[in-house]
Amino acid sequence: GQQLNQSPQSMFIQEGEDVSMNCTSSSIFNTWLWYKQDPGEGPVLLIALYKAGELTSNGRLTAQFGITRKDSFLNISASIPSDVGIYFCAGVDGANSKLTFGKGITLSVRP
Amino acid sequence: DADVTQTPRNRITKTGKRIMLECSQTKGHDRMYWYRQDPGLGLQLIYYSFDVKDINKGEISDGYSVSRQAQAKFSLSLESAIPNQTALYFCATSDLNTNYGYTFGSGTRLTVV
Repeated sequence: GQQLNQSPQSMFIQEGEDVSMNCTSSSIFNTWLWYKQDPGEGPVLLIALYKAGELTSNGRLTAQFGITRKDSFLNISASIPSDVGIYFCAGVDGANSKLTFGKGITLSVRP
Repeated sequence: DADVTQTPRNRITKTGKRIMLECSQTKGHDRMYWYRQDPGLGLQLIYYSFDVKDINKGEISDGYSVSRQAQAKFSLSLESAIPNQTALYFCATSDLNTNYGYTFGSGTRLTVV
């Protein structure tokens, strides 16, 4: 089946630093999404991308849909403690209209 | 009230017992999903339903069954629970208008002993 690759599994940064996360696939996706999961809660949609090359921001978050349609990245600028959580990328290939999720990156922010 | 409500939030059950996890939504979405989350493995799709009469297996359906009782309700059953079904379970909803922006419930933490 299709797979989305996110690595590393965990990231540790200092408060105030910027961080970038990548998500790659061997398959083409027509839609890319980024979700965040806070401890004890379900994932919440952060940013959705619908066109190759699209760059979208949501506050301190910026995400891009790769030109090849096989990758996406998420940047978080000036990190704060509440950025802690698991960040999932997800993709839709259009054929089956379901999301395929990456395994997630756990972000820790040191005060 | 939450848009997607899962009950119970936590459950401990014994091996071999039948257990049902329930999900209800007030979003009016047609599509509902059940996912399982294990540490380091991300979200794995168990079953999904695109409308009341539609049920489809996901990646890891063995050992699970579902019932779509109404547009707003989608339940997941473990017919005979086993310890490796210990995990966090999430229900999610979407429809064509959300452009794949799923709404997730808060999860059910299931422990099989």
